[in-house]
Amino acid sequence: SQELEQSPQSLIVQEGKNLTINCTSSKTLYGLYWYKQKYGEGLIFLMMLQKGGEEKSHEKITAKLDEKKQQSSLHITASQPSHAGIYLCGAGAWNSGNTPLVFGKGTRLSVIA
Amino acid sequence: DVKVTQSSRYLVKRTGEKVFLECVQDMDHENMFWYRQDPGLGLRLIYFSYDVKMKEKGDIPEGYSVSREKKERFSLILESASTNQTSMYLCATRQASYEQYFGPGTRLTVT
Repeated sequence: SQELEQSPQSLIVQEGKNLTINCTSSKTLYGLYWYKQKYGEGLIFLMMLQKGGEEKSHEKITAKLDEKKQQSSLHITASQPSHAGIYLCGAGAWNSGNTPLVFGKGTRLSVIA
Repeated sequence: DVKVTQSSRYLVKRTGEKVFLECVQDMDHENMFWYRQDPGLGLRLIYFSYDVKMKEKGDIPEGYSVSREKKERFSLILESASTNQTSMYLCATRQASYEQYFGPGTRLTVT
């Protein structure tokens, strides 16, 4: 079965600094989802990447998919306290649109002033 | 705007009680999923459904059952709640290979 490993597990950055979170799959990535979760709440959908080399941005968050490396990265530029939370990656097998996603264990991000 | 609602944000039940968690979506999505989330273990799939009255076991179905009588509603049932079922329960919906959306979660405590 597919497993997703996220690194780092936790991250503390100073406000205004850039950061990168990685998600590496044990199997070929057909698609990759990124979510953000505030403590005790549900997951907020950020982005979905479907093709190798694809890159998407939303505000100051950019995600890329490297199919060859079976990896995706999430980059935050000029971090703000509002970026704090847990970031999770999820992936599914695209040969079936009904396949449940599997998820990494998350990266906990803290942004300090 | 996408909407996935769960019946309760917080729930406290006693051991042995039957517990119903309900999830409702307004997006006409085929697929609905129930996960539980625990510290150190991440999200684990309990059950999922790809159509009305259809259900499939996930990775940890023991102690749970589900019901999907209508497309928009997917219920998770704890037949006899136990303390090891204390967890955060998250419902999600998805149409084919498109975006998957989650509800706000239900934090269940079994005492």
